[in-house]
Amino acid sequence: AQTVTQSQPEMSVQEAETVTLSCTYDTSENNYYLFWYKQPPSRQMILVIRQEAYKQQNATENRFSVNFQKAAKSFSLKISDSQLGDTAMYFCASRPFEALNFGKGTSLLVTP
Amino acid sequence: DTGVSQNPRHKITKRGQNVTFRCDPISEHNRLYWYRQTLGQGPEFLTYFQNEAQLEKSRLLSDRFSAERPKGSFSTLEIQRTEQGDSAMYLCASSYNRGQSTDTQYFGPGTRLTVL
Repeated sequence: AQTVTQSQPEMSVQEAETVTLSCTYDTSENNYYLFWYKQPPSRQMILVIRQEAYKQQNATENRFSVNFQKAAKSFSLKISDSQLGDTAMYFCASRPFEALNFGKGTSLLVTP
Repeated sequence: DTGVSQNPRHKITKRGQNVTFRCDPISEHNRLYWYRQTLGQGPEFLTYFQNEAQLEKSRLLSDRFSAERPKGSFSTLEIQRTEQGDSAMYLCASSYNRGQSTDTQYFGPGTRLTVL
C-alpha cells in the first residue's frame, strides 16, 4: 500500500513569515511523482507544486518550495512571505502509478 | 469558465435512494478521475477513465457504485441504494496524458452528498 503521512494536523503562521509543512511517504517504486495541493475553505483543490522523484533539484514556484529527501522519503513544503490568502488545507500526495495518494492534510491558518 | 465542473454541488438524499453525479472535464482532457473525500481525510481514489475506457477501479468502489464516460467527454458516477456511509464529497479531476504519468490533475469543486 502507498501511504502518505502528514504529521501536523494544524499550523498557524503570521503574515510575512515562513512556514514549513511536513510530509513523509512510503512507496516501493523507483519512479514516482510528488505533489502539494491547496484546498481553500469551500473552494476547489489546486496544485501548488510538483516534484519528479528522478530529479535531485528541489522544485520551486514563486513563494513555494520543497525539500525533497528521497532516501528519507520526505517531501516538505516551505511557504515564504506567507499571505492571508494562503489560509487553506494543504494536502501532500504521491503518484507512483495513475492515481494520487493523499495524506490527511494540514490546516494552515495565516494570521495578520 | 474552462475548469472542471461538477453538478450538482450539493445533494441530500434518503438512505436507499439512488443518486447520480455529473462531471464535465476541461475540454480535450483525455483522462478523468473520481475521488471521494470524507471529513478530516484526504481524497481517496475511486476510478479513472482514459477517453471512454474505465482503466482502474479502487476496492472502495463497491458494486453499488458505477461510473461511465460514454463519449469520452463528461462522466457520471451513480450510487445505488445509498447508505449513510456514502456521505462525502465526491471530487472529479481531469488531465491530458501523453502516455506518461507526468500529467497534472485539475480538480472540480466537488459534489457534497448527504445521506439521511
